[in-house]
Amino acid sequence: KAGVTQTPRYLIKTRGQQVTLSCSPISGHRSVSWYQQTPGQGLQFLFEYFSETQRNKGNFPGRFSGRQFSNSRSEMNVSTLELGDSALYLCASSLGLAGVLRQFFGPGTRLTVL
Amino acid sequence: DAKTTQPPSMDCAEGRAANLPCNHSTISGNEYVYWYRQIHSQGPQYIIHGLKNNETNEMASLIITEDRKSSTLILPHATLRDTAVYYCIVATGRTGANSKLTFGKGITLSVRP
Repeated sequence: KAGVTQTPRYLIKTRGQQVTLSCSPISGHRSVSWYQQTPGQGLQFLFEYFSETQRNKGNFPGRFSGRQFSNSRSEMNVSTLELGDSALYLCASSLGLAGVLRQFFGPGTRLTVL
Repeated sequence: DAKTTQPPSMDCAEGRAANLPCNHSTISGNEYVYWYRQIHSQGPQYIIHGLKNNETNEMASLIITEDRKSSTLILPHATLRDTAVYYCIVATGRTGANSKLTFGKGITLSVRP
């Protein structure tokens, strides 16, 4: 099976712009979670989608949003970018059913905000 | 907040066993211990999980103390490719809205030739 794919892999934006990142989960996986990783804060949970519904949300401002499509692919959007949004954004997929939280991570999108 | 405590770093010689400790003294009865690792510039990778029994798979072994307040991840024959940050995470399984992985700072394992 193909792994989790994320596009684009690298992105450079300027303050005030918005950005959309994409994630394609492993075939058959219905849950997609998003994480932000920075040197200072480490890996932080953003949100999780399952069957097109947000099931869980981390402690991030409303500028961070996401959605999931019927094919389980997911996008996350960051509006009004700030310098502090520069980070590695990771997507993880899982079956999402009851049971163990085994997640499969993609390679990430490296976002740089200038 | 992460519910685990790990030393910041450790090293071991290639070919030897690497024993990575983790304290989780406030673990609840329905919470699992998960281990993930992140090799530089890659996404985290699941290694193993356990509830109260010791577990072993092709990658590692997980030893959980009887009181479940601490655990040890064992890489039986460490290789240079095992150099990574290892995260010990305590979380419930998929049971509800608050089921999620909370990553702490992890432990950096350096395997030396």
